[in-house]
Amino acid sequence: SQTIHQWPATLVQPVGSPLSLECTVEGTSNPNLYWYRQAAGRGLQLLFYSVGIGQISSEVPQNLSASRPQDRQFILSSKKLLLSDSGFYLCAWGADRRNQPQHFGDGTRLSIL
Amino acid sequence: AQSVTQLGSHVSVSEGALVLLRCNYSSSVPPYLFWYVQYPNQGLQLLLKYTTGATLVKGINGFEAEFKKSETSFHLTKPSAHMSDAAEYFCALNSGGSNYKLTFGKGTLLTVNP
Repeated sequence: SQTIHQWPATLVQPVGSPLSLECTVEGTSNPNLYWYRQAAGRGLQLLFYSVGIGQISSEVPQNLSASRPQDRQFILSSKKLLLSDSGFYLCAWGADRRNQPQHFGDGTRLSIL
Repeated sequence: AQSVTQLGSHVSVSEGALVLLRCNYSSSVPPYLFWYVQYPNQGLQLLLKYTTGATLVKGINGFEAEFKKSETSFHLTKPSAHMSDAAEYFCALNSGGSNYKLTFGKGTLLTVNP
């Protein structure tokens, strides 16, 4: 069966520090991968998605970037964190078929001080 | 453009009462619809999905939803609420386009009172 792992579960970082969140998927190949941010009371915002190694699409301009160095690895990064980057970050994978759902990791709670 | 509207950001029911969470969608093509549940500080878990075929879809934890094309709705129901059902619920739509992105509603927080 397929599983998705995200780490760390929680992270407290000072403003201006770098960020690296990692997500890996097991049990499937060539998944579509997604990064979402969830701010309190604002639902889910799609940040990035990827359909293959090295292929990244950005949904909104922001202080973050994403990379996909391997088929089942998706990384969310920032060079300098802002207070507004605080939130709950979720990674998801989906099969390359429209009738299939996305499957989510357990998320990372990021607090910026 | 596609959209999902969840009526009621917060729904409160008594334990044992009917749960009804509303979802309306807008899509220019036949939609594929999903309901997810999120417990505090956890990711989203798929409850059920509608793709094609039977319009009444059964999911996990006793939930079901009915796709009504004429009403562009996909409401989630459960006959008898349990305390463990307290969570946030998201309706999501895939109406085509590139890379099978989902459009999510803003979520409904369900509170279950003893």
